[in-house]
Amino acid sequence: IAGITQAPTSQILAAGRRMTLRCTQDMRHNAMYWYRQDLGLGLRLIHYSNTAGTTGKGEVPDGYSVSRANTDDFPLTLASAVPSQTSVYFCASSDSSLGFSGANVLTFGAGSRLTVL
Amino acid sequence: GQNIDQPTEMTATEGAIVQINCTYQTSGFNGLFWYQQHAGEAPTFLSYNVLDGLEEKGRFSSFLSRSKGYSYLLLKELQMKDSASYLCAVMDSNYQLIWGAGTKLIIKP
Repeated sequence: IAGITQAPTSQILAAGRRMTLRCTQDMRHNAMYWYRQDLGLGLRLIHYSNTAGTTGKGEVPDGYSVSRANTDDFPLTLASAVPSQTSVYFCASSDSSLGFSGANVLTFGAGSRLTVL
Repeated sequence: GQNIDQPTEMTATEGAIVQINCTYQTSGFNGLFWYQQHAGEAPTFLSYNVLDGLEEKGRFSSFLSRSKGYSYLLLKELQMKDSASYLCAVMDSNYQLIWGAGTKLIIKP
């Protein structure tokens, strides 16, 4: 089934530890995104990548890094986790081959629930 | 600043009609999206409006008024499976998506 796979589904992490959330898509979408979702707030963009080899910062990039070595994979790394990074993380992708227009629809992964203690 | 407002929670009865409103103030406008998100799941796309007017898709319709900075999602013939959060998002002049906090819709039998 075509879509986005995220791993792990959930994780409890000690503060100060390094953590990588994995994201893989099989739709050959050019653009990929990482969002965090917190209760009472809208989705907030952490980092994005318009195409393999390029990345950009979103609204809340501090404490996070990403890489885009190929089209399919877009891992998110927390170098030294802090409790404020407790959240649900969603990876998403869109087919920007349609042109960089507002009609690009996001396909989301199932999410990774991260708790930092 | 940029802002998307939607009601936090709404309750409706199975078989009825419900309208979920979304007002926005953004730097430019390149379209408005509605997504559905069941508890513990990923958001899924429902509709996209870039021109004023009503877009109908089965039991769901979405309306946009750009001059008023206003949209609504209309759900007809409500079913229990429609219990979910509904997320409004606006694409600004930089093609960045600004998301509302979502409206949790509770359907009662």
